[in-house]
Amino acid sequence: GAVVSQHPSWVICKSGTSVKIECRSLDFQATTMFWYRQFPKQSLMLMATSNEGSKATYEQGVEKDKFLINHASLTLSTLTVTSAHPEDSSFYICSARGTTSGSNEQFFGPGTRLTVL
Amino acid sequence: GENVEQHPSTLSVQEGDSAVIKCTYSDSASNYFPWYKQELGKGPQLIIDIRSNVGEKKDQRIAVTLNKTAKHFSLHITETQPEDSAVYFCAASSGGKSTFGDGTTLTVKP
Repeated sequence: GAVVSQHPSWVICKSGTSVKIECRSLDFQATTMFWYRQFPKQSLMLMATSNEGSKATYEQGVEKDKFLINHASLTLSTLTVTSAHPEDSSFYICSARGTTSGSNEQFFGPGTRLTVL
Repeated sequence: GENVEQHPSTLSVQEGDSAVIKCTYSDSASNYFPWYKQELGKGPQLIIDIRSNVGEKKDQRIAVTLNKTAKHFSLHITETQPEDSAVYFCAASSGGKSTFGDGTTLTVKP
């Protein structure tokens, strides 16, 4: 099956610093990638949708200047949490959808645990 | 927008018994309904999915049923095993965008 990787798997940073998370589709080309945030014992909350080569579409309430998303190629999307604060601590998960016409399947990465001190 | 409700939030069964998780959705335009299994500290894994032109789909011990008229779909796991213990999420997808249920924590007791 399709494989999606994320790096790093976990990161601890100081308040005020920026953190970049990478999401890669390893064996398929992903025209669309999704970024989710998940708090403990809660569901996945969609933050933004990114299409290769275009600007990301952010969900209501998600600050685009704080969560910078870049989808520069068909296999890589990055999420940068700028000026991170403790309330940004969460589990960030990306997913990717392939180029197959009509395909709705999303393949999820293993997630990145962010802890902001 | 789409609203997905999932029940129950927790489910405990004895090994070998069946487990059923139910979801309802609100947007009649939703046409793709995946189910994901998430183990602690990991990302969700697709275990089975169903499209709106099908009423039932089975894959070994896992089956999913869809009632488009009533806008609900269910996950059925038979002959449960301890390794089935995890959080299960349903989702409803329309136009490529998925809305997730709140999850069901399934515990299979040996």
